[in-house]
Amino acid sequence: DSGVTQTPKHLITATGQRVTLRCSPRSGDLSVYWYQQSLDQGLQFLIQYYNGEERAKGNILERFSAQQFPDLHSELNLSSLELGDSALYFCASSVTSGGPRTDTQYFGPGTRLTVL
Amino acid sequence: GNSVTQMEGPVTLSEEAFLTINCTYTATGYPSLFWYVQYPGEGLQLLLKATKADDKGSNKGFEATYRKETTSFHLEKGSVQVSDSAVYFCALSERGFGNEKLTFGTGTRLTIIP
Repeated sequence: DSGVTQTPKHLITATGQRVTLRCSPRSGDLSVYWYQQSLDQGLQFLIQYYNGEERAKGNILERFSAQQFPDLHSELNLSSLELGDSALYFCASSVTSGGPRTDTQYFGPGTRLTVL
Repeated sequence: GNSVTQMEGPVTLSEEAFLTINCTYTATGYPSLFWYVQYPGEGLQLLLKATKADDKGSNKGFEATYRKETTSFHLEKGSVQVSDSAVYFCALSERGFGNEKLTFGTGTRLTIIP
């Protein structure tokens, strides 16, 4: 158990709908990262939040948005869903000490999104 | 930009065989390198990491050495077990300072036969 929790575990919805995925980081971790794992594109970084602020952005679609709340949990919002958005969405967290060494990212179990 | 190239799978081995999964990278600067493992139906777990050239990461009998001259981080294990069956991902991250997104390889599915 990594200490990172994600809900829900599975989500089935229809095209055009909007969903929210939730992530709670490990205690003490300030950074939350979102990744998408799909068959055709592999594992891709979407976005990072650090202590409530957006820190880095990857291949995140405009239809997707995220935020990190004062209690450090994060939500990933996916709207106008398309069939191609079906994927496993992972959240990861790290301490992000800000020093020159890379802090380890700990991954949650993921949310499997199926768009029908 | 950064990229990671991993050995194509799937890889099928007999129990107690020697394992090598190749990984090479392209990056600016001095990245940190990681191997993550994904067991069926589970999330990613960090297997090992190395943060500078010539560092060797090791865990659970797996090893990988950060080779700057060949830009490689090959994963090895001397004697695999059925329980090692999983998907293995090589990844890199630019060094620290708070911007630590991971760039992953495509993953290598490993199946160990008793």
